[in-house]
Amino acid sequence: QKEVEQNSGPLSVPEGAIASLNCTYSDRGSQSFFWYRQYSGKSPELIMSIYSNGDKEDGRFTAQLNKASQYVSLLIRDSQPSDSATYLCAVNRNTNAGKSTFGDGTTLTVKP
Amino acid sequence: KAGVTQTPRYLIKTRGQQVTLSCSPISGHRSVSWYQQTPGQGLQFLFEYFSETQRNKGNFPGRFSGRQFSNSRSEMNVSTLELGDSALYLCASSLSGLTDTQYFGPGTRLTVL
Repeated sequence: QKEVEQNSGPLSVPEGAIASLNCTYSDRGSQSFFWYRQYSGKSPELIMSIYSNGDKEDGRFTAQLNKASQYVSLLIRDSQPSDSATYLCAVNRNTNAGKSTFGDGTTLTVKP
Repeated sequence: KAGVTQTPRYLIKTRGQQVTLSCSPISGHRSVSWYQQTPGQGLQFLFEYFSETQRNKGNFPGRFSGRQFSNSRSEMNVSTLELGDSALYLCASSLSGLTDTQYFGPGTRLTVL
């Protein structure tokens, strides 16, 4: 079992729809959770960080964390073609200095 | 604030050679982590440095090494290059390297022929 698993893609949604990206993790000691966006040929870019159970909203993006279920998700509202990218879920803990554990990513395509 | 910078951006080497990559973190960040990204393995953690000390290391052979300088700039070195070392090498910096956010540099694309 991988430490961080993301829903297998690719995911395709029409422009204006809600895109839902999911991630589960195996380490119950994980303390911080991140979503990165990576365009083809580019480096990962931070979208959201979340540390506590519940929802965190930033513009069109909402991250949801449920530590009991070891689950974190990212919702993208009003999806735009420019949101087409690979989305990476990452988790870390303070006893694992400097190491974020990444999922394999979910590739999202937003069709005009 | 300037972001994380990495040099060089692209590198072509042949098997058996060695290579040194450089990373300058965001000003004030003391933690620098290195990752290797390949299509087959995804993002794999190499090692992390904080205050010139390696605090954590991933499962990579000893051919992969690094160091950090007093100004937090970091270098990683790969000796005796193999074809499988072809990858995007990413550097990420953060304030403490614990649970805070890591910010990535643009990466160095290494091709080994």
